[in-house]
Amino acid sequence: NAGVTQTPKFQVLKTGQSMTLQCAQDMNHNSMYWYRQDPGMGLRLIYYSASEGTTDKGEVPNGYNVSRLNKREFSLRLESAAPSQTSVYFCASTRTLGPYEQYFGPGTRLTVT
Amino acid sequence: GNSVTQMEGPVTLSEEAFLTINCTYTATGYPSLFWYVQYPGEGLQLLLKATKADDKGSNKGFEATYRKETTSFHLEKGSVQVSDSAVYFCALSKDFGNEKLTFGTGTRLTIIP
Repeated sequence: NAGVTQTPKFQVLKTGQSMTLQCAQDMNHNSMYWYRQDPGMGLRLIYYSASEGTTDKGEVPNGYNVSRLNKREFSLRLESAAPSQTSVYFCASTRTLGPYEQYFGPGTRLTVT
Repeated sequence: GNSVTQMEGPVTLSEEAFLTINCTYTATGYPSLFWYVQYPGEGLQLLLKATKADDKGSNKGFEATYRKETTSFHLEKGSVQVSDSAVYFCALSKDFGNEKLTFGTGTRLTIIP
């Protein structure tokens, strides 16, 4: 099993450009999440999907959109990138029921100039 | 709302020293508590967890006890190794069926030989 995979690993965008970060999991998990990690702020939840077909806003959703394409895949889109979105983005997944431990992907380092 | 406060870093210790990283939380009811570890260039991995008061989570020589009376979940290890150098995150999950995690800001640990 690959676990949680993310693409790309690195990306540089200019202000105003758009892009989609891809995430897939092969653990048959129902719930998936997108976080951003910034120095001194820990991880903050952007959006999550409790199950296929549903998505909800997290703590910092402004400037982002998500799509739960199917049970395996959960993408994050930046429609018009801003320098404040420079961050490391992590995707995670978990079973719906159980001890709530989350499994994380390796991250995407995004720089917006 | 829910929150997690953990000791500020960075923390630098010599190999074989005793480690404590403090973590306290604010939440109503009975959250589940976690410690995640992030090695350089990687995503977060679950280190240990506890799901009810007085439970002790343990893994790889690390331990943490869920203390409801002091709302704490301090991470300890008796003898650290260079390979323990990483960033450690305390987190909580609240309410059955709500899998969202609230993270602390992280503590960077460096072990010198």
